[in-house]
Amino acid sequence: DIVMTQSPDSLAVSLGERATINCKSGQSVLYSSDNKNYLAWYQQKPGQPPKLLIYWASTRESGVPDRFSGSGSGTDFTLTISNLQAEDVAVYYCQQYYSAVTFGQGTRLEI
Amino acid sequence: QLQLQESGPGLVKPSETLSLTCTVSGGSISSTGYNWGWIRQPPGTGLEWIASMYYSGNTYYNPSLKSRVTISVDTSKNHFSLKLSSVTAADTAVYYCARQKGLTMGGTYFYYYMDVWGKGTTVTVSS
Repeated sequence: DIVMTQSPDSLAVSLGERATINCKSGQSVLYSSDNKNYLAWYQQKPGQPPKLLIYWASTRESGVPDRFSGSGSGTDFTLTISNLQAEDVAVYYCQQYYSAVTFGQGTRLEI
Repeated sequence: QLQLQESGPGLVKPSETLSLTCTVSGGSISSTGYNWGWIRQPPGTGLEWIASMYYSGNTYYNPSLKSRVTISVDTSKNHFSLKLSSVTAADTAVYYCARQKGLTMGGTYFYYYMDVWGKGTTVTVSS
């Protein structure tokens, strides 16, 4: 299994500020054949299923505000939420799909 | 718009088999480029992928659950199913079904990210 480790476990950010969530994989998720990082980010609000935000490490899903951005390569990845809004309060998960599927433990974002 | 809906018993006795169905509406389960999967979330914790499959029959299982899991698809009913045998309290969770982006190339199946999720169904294992 590829272990995914997120940091921090929780963070509090003021409205309008920037939130940064990190995700580290136990091995590289960069596939040499297509030069893509097999990593996605999800947002989960209480009582709701996860919602896809980012895939291929930096491609924003249709309809996701451009305040959300993903970066990184290999083993180290970052989800950045700019101009934080109240509706961004949620738990965020990274997921690798390079080898089977595994998720990070989640990062709780609060205002 | 594609929608997924989980269904099945909310209570299962220990040692019995958990059976869930995910009904797909607004699209075909036989669409190319997509797989279908199950993910669960124990109370208060994170997400665990269980299994995925392509409509033609190719399956992919979480190694830690493989011995107890069967995933299947019924294209005529546009639904797919999950069976988890010999359940214990540790299998208590919200179970989600999801559409999983994928690729089939030269007989090789690739399973990617989940782009559409069902709302989830709570399954409790208790006597």
